[in-house]
Amino acid sequence: AQRVTQPEKLLSVFKGAPVELKCNYSYSGSPELFWYVQYSRQRLQLLLRHISRESIKGFTADLNKGETSFHLKKPFAQEEDSAMYYCALSAAMDTGRRALTFGSGTRLQVQP
Amino acid sequence: NAGVTQTPKFRVLKTGQSMTLLCAQDMNHEYMYWYRQDPGMGLRLIHYSVGEGTTAKGEVPDGYNVSRLKKQNFLLGLESAAPSQTSVYFCASSFDYEQYFGPGTRLTVT
Repeated sequence: AQRVTQPEKLLSVFKGAPVELKCNYSYSGSPELFWYVQYSRQRLQLLLRHISRESIKGFTADLNKGETSFHLKKPFAQEEDSAMYYCALSAAMDTGRRALTFGSGTRLQVQP
Repeated sequence: NAGVTQTPKFRVLKTGQSMTLLCAQDMNHEYMYWYRQDPGMGLRLIHYSVGEGTTAKGEVPDGYNVSRLKKQNFLLGLESAAPSQTSVYFCASSFDYEQYFGPGTRLTVT
């Protein structure tokens, strides 16, 4: 069965410091990985997808199949980045439809 | 365009009571999902639907039933609530890979 691990419950950094939110996965198939974010009093929303290889709000994430990791990085944290971040793996279900398996989340606190 | 809405926002049940959570989306999405979120565990998939009239089990389906009679609605039912079902429930819908989430329903079973 697939599994997503986010080892840090809380990551606290100062404004302007680099950020790296760790995500490791296990999946026997071809992985499709995402980062979702939930800002205070807002809904969970997609931040980025590994296939698109985009930089969203200064965040990037590279899929490393050798290390089975999909860490989220930003070179200079901003206070508005404070939120809950979830790594998610899309895996095939019995119906053939793919569904998301989420990690337990990491709360990022960016201090002024 | 309200996106994904969930009713109710909060509910307290006694053990053994039943209730239905309603999820509605106005984006004409084929796929809909119900998750539960417990402290330290992230979101876990309860049931999902790939289209009107179809439902399938997710990771933690026991104690729940679902129905998708209309494309825009996905109902989650608890026939006999248990304290272990105390959680925050999220509904989501999607057209392809991106899931759009509702605001959540906080359910407490005493």
